[in-house]
Amino acid sequence: AQRVTQPEKLLSVFKGAPVELKCNYSYSGSPELFWYVQYSRQRLQLLLRHISRESIKGFTADLNKGETSFHLKKPFAQEEDSAMYYCALSGNQGGKLIFGQGTELSVKP
Amino acid sequence: DVKVTQSSRYLVKRTGEKVFLECVQDMDHENMFWYRQDPGLGLRLIYFSYDVKMKEKGDIPEGYSVSREKKERFSLILESASTNQTSMYLCASSPFAGFMTGELFFGEGSRLTVL
Repeated sequence: AQRVTQPEKLLSVFKGAPVELKCNYSYSGSPELFWYVQYSRQRLQLLLRHISRESIKGFTADLNKGETSFHLKKPFAQEEDSAMYYCALSGNQGGKLIFGQGTELSVKP
Repeated sequence: DVKVTQSSRYLVKRTGEKVFLECVQDMDHENMFWYRQDPGLGLRLIYFSYDVKMKEKGDIPEGYSVSREKKERFSLILESASTNQTSMYLCASSPFAGFMTGELFFGEGSRLTVL
């Protein structure tokens, strides 16, 4: 079964601290993984995708097939990073995304 | 700029009522999706569509139906609303190229409360 698990409902850090949002997946094929973000009162939007190997707003995520993980990291959190973050997996039926439960990141001043 | 518009931001309905949630996208996207978003459960796919008059069940289709008569419009229908359908409903679209890119463009959401 295809599944995405985000074990932390809430992650609270202080400004300037490193942050890591965990994501584990279950998938039998070659996965495509994504991070989506929803800021307060804004639409859900794509943050980054693993195939691009990009850094967006200082965030990076590395696909670890051995550990079936795709954790989102940022070395120095900013207050404006406070948001809801969802990890997502592209399933066998193309275009359909399977989302995790979401992690709320709170960055305190 | 891709625009996905959900017609109702907030709705309050009574148990047993029929509810229509409308979604329109203006970028000629082939794919359209309906998710519900619940705290602690994340986003769960209800139905999706790859083309006009086509529909596919997602993970939680029970109690819902959809209609796609025009490419730009995808409607979610609750035939007989129940309290456990109180939720935030998100519509999304993507171009066929989105098949591999995974980028969905979301609407602002429709918050439905069933009393």
